[in-house]
Amino acid sequence: EAGVAQSPRYKIIEKRQSVAFWCNPISGHATLYWYQQILGQGPKLLIQFQNNGVVDDSQLPKDRFSAERLKGVDSTLKIQPAKLEDSAVYLCASSLPPGELFFGEGSRLTVL
Amino acid sequence: QKEVEQDPGPLSVPEGAIVSLNCTYSNSAFQYFMWYRQYSRKGPELLMYTYSSGNKEDGRFTAQVDKSSKYISLFIRDSQPSDSATYLCAMSASRRALTFGSGTRLQVQP
Repeated sequence: EAGVAQSPRYKIIEKRQSVAFWCNPISGHATLYWYQQILGQGPKLLIQFQNNGVVDDSQLPKDRFSAERLKGVDSTLKIQPAKLEDSAVYLCASSLPPGELFFGEGSRLTVL
Repeated sequence: QKEVEQDPGPLSVPEGAIVSLNCTYSNSAFQYFMWYRQYSRKGPELLMYTYSSGNKEDGRFTAQVDKSSKYISLFIRDSQPSDSATYLCAMSASRRALTFGSGTRLQVQP
């Protein structure tokens, strides 16, 4: 069974530029999550989708971050404009409810 | 106060030692408790999954949940250098996303 796929693995941009990350979840998993993991910290939830709908985006900085999940499968997370403090690993995960999440390898963002 | 507290370590032990990792939490609605292992520059991978209170054993790993104390533990027996990683506790209420601890970095010395 294929795991959660993410791209790109690494991205370096300058502040105020934009960036987009893509995620393809495990086939059949209805729930998709984006987490932000800053160096030395645990993952922090940004947004949770159930099929096409948003379940929880309370911690998503909506002035600069956006996410969508078209057709209930792939998802894209966008940051525009990026700030220095956005440097982190962006982890995508998927699950069959309840609870157990399967993570991708992550997309590492460096903002200069 | 964070919802989930975890000692960041680092924790350094000799090969063969028993390792004890712990987390405390404040949200009494949490029902699902997990431990993830994360190697450097990799995504977290699930190690143990426990629903509600009790113990669960899988090979060298044992997970314990004490909901009355809001305390969970992971024990690693006969630790190996390959166990060197960051261990993340995580928990959730029904059908909600996981809330993670900050992770404990473990180093097992050969």
